[in-house]
Amino acid sequence: GAGVSQTPSNKVTEKGKYVELRCDPISGHTALYWYRQSLGQGPEFLIYFQGTGAADDSGLPNDRFFAVRPEGSVSTLKIQRTERGDSAVYLCASSPPGVAGGTDTQYFGPGTRLTVL
Amino acid sequence: AQSVTQPDIHITVSEGASLELRCNYSYGATPYLFWYVQSPGQGLQLLLKYFSGDTLVQGIKGFEAEFKRSQSSFNLRKPSVHWSDAAEYFCAVVVGGAGRRALTFGSGTRLQVQP
Repeated sequence: GAGVSQTPSNKVTEKGKYVELRCDPISGHTALYWYRQSLGQGPEFLIYFQGTGAADDSGLPNDRFFAVRPEGSVSTLKIQRTERGDSAVYLCASSPPGVAGGTDTQYFGPGTRLTVL
Repeated sequence: AQSVTQPDIHITVSEGASLELRCNYSYGATPYLFWYVQSPGQGLQLLLKYFSGDTLVQGIKGFEAEFKRSQSSFNLRKPSVHWSDAAEYFCAVVVGGAGRRALTFGSGTRLQVQP
């Protein structure tokens, strides 16, 4: 079956611009996660959705970052006034329902590489 | 500070040799423990996970990991490495009680396999 897909695969923008990154989770998966991976580092958690609501947004670095999942499926990560330090690979993951919290297997997409010039 | 540590940034082994990748965590309680692999151009893939019970966990692709509470470790092993195992390996944990699902990753170990 289809895995998690992310678009675009690459995004180059200029400092100060606004960007949107899209994630299509695996069909039927209720939980959706965003992570950010800087060069040479492990992924860092940004935000987690259960259905349409953000259940945990403790990883968002500041108020320039925002994410939505209006219909409980596709999610968009939005970054305002981008900075060079935002350059990273943004990863999305999803997991199926009915699994005890913290024990679910997260299925990752290939990521979006964001470069801020 | 609470953390996940992978002390080896880069490891090179010969094809057919055994492999052990180290992972240590520093949390008050035993977290849920995971190993993921990231190959070039591919997404992160779960190799195995540990929540409770038998401390030796079997995963996909012939990998296993052993949880040692006394050492706060969850090391990944494979008895015979194949060239296709060359990739970046990440140890990860989930901590914080019910409802907490965010993975905290180590900084990764890059595995190179020599023919």
